[in-house]
Amino acid sequence: QVQLVQSGAEVKKPGASVRVSCKASGYTFTSYDINWVRQAAGRGLEWMGWMNPDSGDTGYVQNFQGRVTMTRDKSTSTAYMELSSLTSEDTAVYYCARSGFGSGSSSDCWGQGTLIIVSS
Amino acid sequence: DIQMTQSPSSLSAFVGDRVTITCRASQTIKNYLNWYQQKPGKAPKLLIYAASTLHSGVPSRFSGSGSGTDFTLTISSLQPEDFATYYCQQSYSARAFGQGTRVDFK
Repeated sequence: QVQLVQSGAEVKKPGASVRVSCKASGYTFTSYDINWVRQAAGRGLEWMGWMNPDSGDTGYVQNFQGRVTMTRDKSTSTAYMELSSLTSEDTAVYYCARSGFGSGSSSDCWGQGTLIIVSS
Repeated sequence: DIQMTQSPSSLSAFVGDRVTITCRASQTIKNYLNWYQQKPGKAPKLLIYAASTLHSGVPSRFSGSGSGTDFTLTISSLQPEDFATYYCQQSYSARAFGQGTRVDFK
């Protein structure tokens, strides 16, 4: 079945970087975009950006420009999201989700979420 | 950037009630509007895409309507498993979410 499996929870110090992985299975990895969404405790969903796993093209929300990098390894059908210069405001659950290409698409499959805690 | 505004932010209802949630975009998004359901500690699930198309496996008591800037999600008869938080998301330009609507027991 279509599945996205994310890496485990991490605790990071302020100023550090974190990389979250998202392994796809059950479908052709390069046929769907991968989006990253985060959710702080008790808060709503915040879309961070997208990546086309085929071309490697990316698009990031301005709030994260310069701090986020989305990459992929086509050989293992794995997408990665790296966030740098972490602060306590980055403590959240991070989700990957696949979507069709371009405008009008929706996310029909989500990873289980990865909790990132930023604390000194 | 397109802003999405949901109302209400929360509501209380009985099992069997008809529930309506609205979502307004800051500019026209055609029908590029998705609805998701999220339960505590779980990833969101897609309910409706393209404003009114039910995702596979979603019960028919859920329906969506609207185009342009104003959209609604309706649950015709609220069931115990429907108590959750609902989010709209535009997919016209980027993928911004609304702030969510929490539906709980009255």
